[in-house]
Amino acid sequence: GENVEQHPSTLSVQEGDSAVIKCTYSDSASNYFPWYKQELGKRPQLIIDIRSNVGEKKDQRIAVTLNKTAKHFSLHITETQPEDSAVYFCAALENTGGFKTIFGAGTRLFVKA
Amino acid sequence: SQTIHQWPATLVQPVGSPLSLECTVEGTSNPNLYWYRQAAGRGLQLLFYSVGIGQISSEVPQNLSASRPQDRQFILSSKKLLLSDSGFYLCAWSEGGQTYEQYFGPGTRLTVT
Repeated sequence: GENVEQHPSTLSVQEGDSAVIKCTYSDSASNYFPWYKQELGKRPQLIIDIRSNVGEKKDQRIAVTLNKTAKHFSLHITETQPEDSAVYFCAALENTGGFKTIFGAGTRLFVKA
Repeated sequence: SQTIHQWPATLVQPVGSPLSLECTVEGTSNPNLYWYRQAAGRGLQLLFYSVGIGQISSEVPQNLSASRPQDRQFILSSKKLLLSDSGFYLCAWSEGGQTYEQYFGPGTRLTVT
């Protein structure tokens, strides 16, 4: 089955700097890679996703890149703000017809004002 | 638009007691439904998923069970809770087909004492 590894587990940046979170996956058949943001005590919120037929996707200050050959994908947040502080999860959809999504362990991002 | 509900929001139960958590989705039909558990400060563990009424796939052998008695209703149950069942239980849905995005409910915070 699919396995997703996420690094780093904790990331601290200064406000205005960029933050990068990296994930690797094991199943080359996986074809959908979402990213979720979870604030303390709240539900995970889908913030951006990418499909395997695309190499990069941007949405304002957030971008995701995918390298299918290397089986890794990354989340890039530019011009970070204190409200970006949260836990971020990457995930990969197992392409088994059952829509199983496997999550990484999460990255706790701290943006210092 | 689609809405997902979970209840109760919080629950404190003694060890050995039964459990029933409910999740309902509005505004869509035949969704894929998922139960996840999140231990404190940890990632998301997929417990069960369902692609249709009466169709349940279990990911982790344990003392929990799931049922889908109606198209947009998903129930998580236990006959006897363990201390290790404490956590944040999240229900999620997706439309299925080639639409992979999963959306989470508000969650139930369960404390087993």
